[in-house]
Amino acid sequence: DAGITQSPRHKVTETGTPVTLRCHQTENHRYMYWYRQDPGHGLRLIHYSYGVKDTDKGEVSDGYSVSRSKTEDFLLTLESATSSQTSVYFCAISDRWYEQYFGPGTRLTVT
Amino acid sequence: KNEVEQSPQNLTAQEGEFITINCSYSVGISALHWLQQHPGGGIVSLFMLSSGKKKHGRLIATINIQEKHSSLHITASHPRDSAVYICAVAGATNKLIFGTGTLLAVQP
Repeated sequence: DAGITQSPRHKVTETGTPVTLRCHQTENHRYMYWYRQDPGHGLRLIHYSYGVKDTDKGEVSDGYSVSRSKTEDFLLTLESATSSQTSVYFCAISDRWYEQYFGPGTRLTVT
Repeated sequence: KNEVEQSPQNLTAQEGEFITINCSYSVGISALHWLQQHPGGGIVSLFMLSSGKKKHGRLIATINIQEKHSSLHITASHPRDSAVYICAVAGATNKLIFGTGTLLAVQP
């Protein structure tokens, strides 16, 4: 398995609070991605990074921000969590963008 | 219309049966992935293919680029094969496009 971890694995938070999810890799891969997975939808890209300090938006980026100050860490922040952001969040890494390895996921519940 | 369509959405089979899951896509691709996700679990890559056929154990994946179609076959299915199977394509942009998945339940 690719060396990729996510923290926390589970989180319950209240509407309006900030939340930060962390993705950490030990593979030195260039690309990192944040997805959300919801029933009835395929995995949807939130943001991705193609290098340190280089990030771009995906298809569902509203309400989310990211940062990548080190190769190994990619942070996803919900500035003010809403119930519509209740989801399972997956991080992925790759050295070639078309071949991605996924983390174990973070289950986030916003009450 | 989604760019990646999977069928069926749900599939129930008896142990030992031959299973086929289909994926059709509408964009030009450089590669197609089949992924597996067990309930409450992470996502594991089964195959990446851009042409022809690949086999790993009881799993076989085929792709027809001209018809924009791929199939995942499971021979001699087992209850441990119960999972969601996801098709994803690598299109012209540097992003993957995912299908909504096929939920497979194999009953003993």
